[in-house]
Amino acid sequence: QSALTQPASVSGSPGQSITISCTGTSSDVGGYNYVSWYQQHPGKAPKLMIYDVSNRPSGVSNRFSGSKSGNTASLTISGLQAEDEADYYCSSYTSSTWGVFGTGTKVTVL
Amino acid sequence: QVQLVESGGGLVKPGGSLRLSCAASGFTFSDYYMSWIRQAPGKGLEWVSYISSSGSTIYYADSVKGRFTISRDNAKNSLYLQMNSLRAEDTAVYYCARTEMATVDYWGQGTLVTVSS
Repeated sequence: QSALTQPASVSGSPGQSITISCTGTSSDVGGYNYVSWYQQHPGKAPKLMIYDVSNRPSGVSNRFSGSKSGNTASLTISGLQAEDEADYYCSSYTSSTWGVFGTGTKVTVL
Repeated sequence: QVQLVESGGGLVKPGGSLRLSCAASGFTFSDYYMSWIRQAPGKGLEWVSYISSSGSTIYYADSVKGRFTISRDNAKNSLYLQMNSLRAEDTAVYYCARTEMATVDYWGQGTLVTVSS
């Protein structure tokens, strides 16, 4: 099972919106609505930001939103803030190995 | 509140063994699947293993199959990972994670395993 494909880096200015893509196959992203997104600051454990494609856990800012089209899921961060600078990983349930992570995206706030 | 606290990491020589533990609190441990996820230095996340709430269903990544054993003790609210025949490429931070349908809603702080001579 190969990792889901994410762009290595995405950047934006404060206040702007950015979108991170996560591309898989019909056996994972495209086949199930169990896509989640995690934020990881340096030296810290990841934090769940989006689950089941588009749901936000309690306490997560509504500036974070998720969607999916076909085999590609997306995480959008609107009103970009300095504290959003971090690594982001997607994950999906998969029929073959149960779970697979994305390659990770470094978000830089310019 | 939900807490997951890992222990047992450290420095071990190639071919050696280590047992990681995870103490869970703040939720009904026996109701949840649990996982071990690792992150090599400067690298991404990798599912290592998961175990169902009862322990009857277990998954291992190909990279650790035959060398690692996951287990749980629901009476002690604890998750374990026995790691044998360790290799340099097993060097990573190992996270204990509460899991549902390959979604992790709570992570431990992680424990570092270093395999080096």
